[in-house]
Amino acid sequence: DVKVTQSSRYLVKRTGEKVFLECVQDMDHENMFWYRQDPGLGLRLIYFSYDVKMKEKGDIPEGYSVSREKKERFSLILESASTNQTSMYLCASRRSQPNEQFFGPGTRLTVL
Amino acid sequence: AQSVTQPDIHITVSEGASLELRCNYSYGATPYLFWYVQSPGQGLQLLLKYFSGDTLVQGIKGFEAEFKRSQSSFNLRKPSVHWSDAAEYFCAVGRLTGGGNKLTFGTGTQLKVEL
Repeated sequence: DVKVTQSSRYLVKRTGEKVFLECVQDMDHENMFWYRQDPGLGLRLIYFSYDVKMKEKGDIPEGYSVSREKKERFSLILESASTNQTSMYLCASRRSQPNEQFFGPGTRLTVL
Repeated sequence: AQSVTQPDIHITVSEGASLELRCNYSYGATPYLFWYVQSPGQGLQLLLKYFSGDTLVQGIKGFEAEFKRSQSSFNLRKPSVHWSDAAEYFCAVGRLTGGGNKLTFGTGTQLKVEL
């Protein structure tokens, strides 16, 4: 089975801190994704990566950056966390074929 | 641009009753469609997917969905709901060909099951 893991289930940070959310997948998938999930808004795509060192902006990239130095790892970075970035963050991965995405358990981030 | 509408934010059904969750999509080409389920505090799990072929697709946990191109719909159904089905359900649409590799998700339907 595909396994997507995220470094933390819960995280509390202060406004202005730099925050790193880590995601690792173990099935050699080419594509990886970061979403945020908010009540009533569903999942919104922040960034995705289709190969090592390759990235593309999703629908809401402002305030975020990403890094993919190795195929299995995709990091989401909040350069200067703000309270409006309090949310659930979900990582996903998939093969290059148009197949389903596999999701991690999520990281609930609170910015105080 | 593709979009997905799940018109029901909350649905409550009795255990043993039938269930239908609605999903309408907007996409200019042949879509590929998914239903995911999210239990509290968990990530999303795939219930079923449609790429092509038979428009009635079977998924896990006794769920099925029917693709109706004329209605731009992909409704999820289950003949008899179990208490463990209480969760949030998301419909998603993606591109079948071309680049992008992106899915667009609906806003979700929260299912409550009364015992």
